[in-house]
Amino acid sequence: SQKIEQNSEALNIQEGKTATLTCNYTNYSPAYLQWYRQDPGRGPVFLLLIRENEKEKRKERLKVTFDTTLKQSLFHITASQPADSATYLCALDMSGGNNRLAFGKGNQVVVIP
Amino acid sequence: GAVVSQHPSWVICKSGTSVKIECRSLDFQATTMFWYRQFPKQSLMLMATSNEGSKATYEQGVEKDKFLINHASLTLSTLTVTSAHPEDSSFYICSARDVASGGSHNEQFFGPGTRLTVL
Repeated sequence: SQKIEQNSEALNIQEGKTATLTCNYTNYSPAYLQWYRQDPGRGPVFLLLIRENEKEKRKERLKVTFDTTLKQSLFHITASQPADSATYLCALDMSGGNNRLAFGKGNQVVVIP
Repeated sequence: GAVVSQHPSWVICKSGTSVKIECRSLDFQATTMFWYRQFPKQSLMLMATSNEGSKATYEQGVEKDKFLINHASLTLSTLTVTSAHPEDSSFYICSARDVASGGSHNEQFFGPGTRLTVL
């Protein structure tokens, strides 16, 4: 069956350190993968998209890698700040680029001042 | 930037009644909007793809007669939960793509969500 797995345990990290989150998937062949931020009771906010032919993408303090052989994406927040505390969702294109997204459950990050 | 709004932000209704949720793209046009449902501590689940001017496409296991979708204009899609029951209580979120961005961008802009509670 198709699965998208993100760590269910919250990641507690000291301010200034790098937070690294993992997204593993099985039985998908996504044309791209996206990362979103979701705060409690709110809709997701788009952060980054990485395509199947890209290895790495950066945006300000965020970095995403995508390994289609391992079927894994890593999401890094460098120089983390308390304002980065949120749940981060991994989403895969499940329809060959037709924008139908399958989401992971998300991984909560708590940045400790 | 692209903004998507939803109305209402929360609604409480009695079992057996119908509830309509609106999703609007405020500063861009969206030929395609998506409806998701999220239960507590669960992932967003895509329910259906709403296409302007045509019938919605529903995901497997989603009852089209229970979740009526109408996408009458390039800026508005509505989801009606018919004959709502307590098990329909959930967080309903819509998203939209900006037509102008074409096929090179796949970013979806999400609304703030609607919390539905069915008593």
